Amino acid sequence: TAGITQAPTSQILAAGRSMTLRCTQDMRHNAMYWYRQDLGLGLRLIHYSNTAGTTGKGEVPDGYSVSRANTDDFPLTLASAVPSQTSVYFCASSDSSGGSTDTQYFGPGTRLTVL
Amino acid sequence: GQNIDQPTEMTATEGAIVQINCTYQTSGFNGLFWYQQHAGEAPTFLSYNVLDGLEEKGRFSSFLSRSKGYSYLLLKELQMKDSASYLCAVTDSNYQLIWGAGTKLIIKP
Repeated sequence: TAGITQAPTSQILAAGRSMTLRCTQDMRHNAMYWYRQDLGLGLRLIHYSNTAGTTGKGEVPDGYSVSRANTDDFPLTLASAVPSQTSVYFCASSDSSGGSTDTQYFGPGTRLTVL
Repeated sequence: GQNIDQPTEMTATEGAIVQINCTYQTSGFNGLFWYQQHAGEAPTFLSYNVLDGLEEKGRFSSFLSRSKGYSYLLLKELQMKDSASYLCAVTDSNYQLIWGAGTKLIIKP
């Protein structure tokens, strides 16, 4: 079982350009999450989705958008990238649909550099 | 505000025991997780505590005291492959995970 896959593995992006980070899970989990991880900081939640068709804002949503058209896919879009969005991005999923505590499982991450 | 504190870095010797502490101040509590993250890789689940006490899983144990807002991860019989970052995370009253910055554990032969 693949679990969670993310693409691309890494990317260098010019400031002002747009980009979509892809995330797909095959565990039929209800909830999915996007985090960014920066040196010296904990994982910070960007956006989440408790179930297909719904999304919510996390701690650091500005400059990012998401959609959840189906259970498996949860793409993250940067409309106009800025250097402060240089980070490692992790997608995660859990079996919960909000209102409960369930283990989150992580994809391998996308390393994004904005120049 | 919500806060998770853990030491930035610890060093231990192969074969020894190490305890990684985590203190938290969150709006509500619905469980505490420990994750392991090797350099350049994704976090992977280690343990979950929601009630006070010790949970043992092989060489790894995790302890929780809700009244003190405190947890620790205990690693026994350390192996070189245990060199990694260990992340503490708390589920708050809205069932959102609040993450600590992680503790980098360095194992020396």
